[in-house]
Amino acid sequence: AQSVTQLDSHVSVSEGTPVLLRCNYSSSYSPSLFWYVQHPNKGLQLLLKYTSAATLVKGINGFEAEFKKSETSFHLTKPSAHMSDAAEYFCVVSDPGKLIFGQGTTLQVKP
Amino acid sequence: DTAVSQTPKYLVTQMGNDKSIKCEQNLGHDTMYWYKQDSKKFLKIMFSYNNKELIINETVPNRFSPKSPDKAHLNLHINSLELGDSAVYFCASSQTPVQGNSYNSPLHFGNGTRLTVT
Repeated sequence: AQSVTQLDSHVSVSEGTPVLLRCNYSSSYSPSLFWYVQHPNKGLQLLLKYTSAATLVKGINGFEAEFKKSETSFHLTKPSAHMSDAAEYFCVVSDPGKLIFGQGTTLQVKP
Repeated sequence: DTAVSQTPKYLVTQMGNDKSIKCEQNLGHDTMYWYKQDSKKFLKIMFSYNNKELIINETVPNRFSPKSPDKAHLNLHINSLELGDSAVYFCASSQTPVQGNSYNSPLHFGNGTRLTVT
């Protein structure tokens, strides 16, 4: 079965500095991978998805992620954090018939 | 507005009661889901329906019974509520169901229902 591990439960950055949220996956075949964001008291919103096309995927709000098969990673990055980026981020892998969510990473953005 | 809407937003009830959460989507999607998010924010799928037909049931207790009167609605009924049922329940929809290891259709989530069982 597929699984996904988010390496940091909490990441804190200053506004204007780069963001890196780490995700490793385990899959016996080429998976589809996603990043979702959850703002407080809201549902989840899709940031970006990888489905075996380009390995560097661009998403909304300036986020991007790179699929690295050799490292089984799908880290999420953003060059410059904004206060509105503070939220919970989930790395997700497809499993036959369903999606498997990571444990989540809380991103704190300090002024 | 086009969206996935679920009601109520908050639900506080006592152990042993029966309660329902309603979900509606007007996105024209064929597939709907219920997810449970626990206190550690871990999300786990409970059910998915495609065109009113159950396609995923993830070892959820029989006290949970989803009902899909049409493909735009997927309601969740919970009997004999227990303390451990306290969580945030999210409804979601997508154009097509997850098939095999390939999935291209994003999930659209509702804003969640926070259930507290006392």
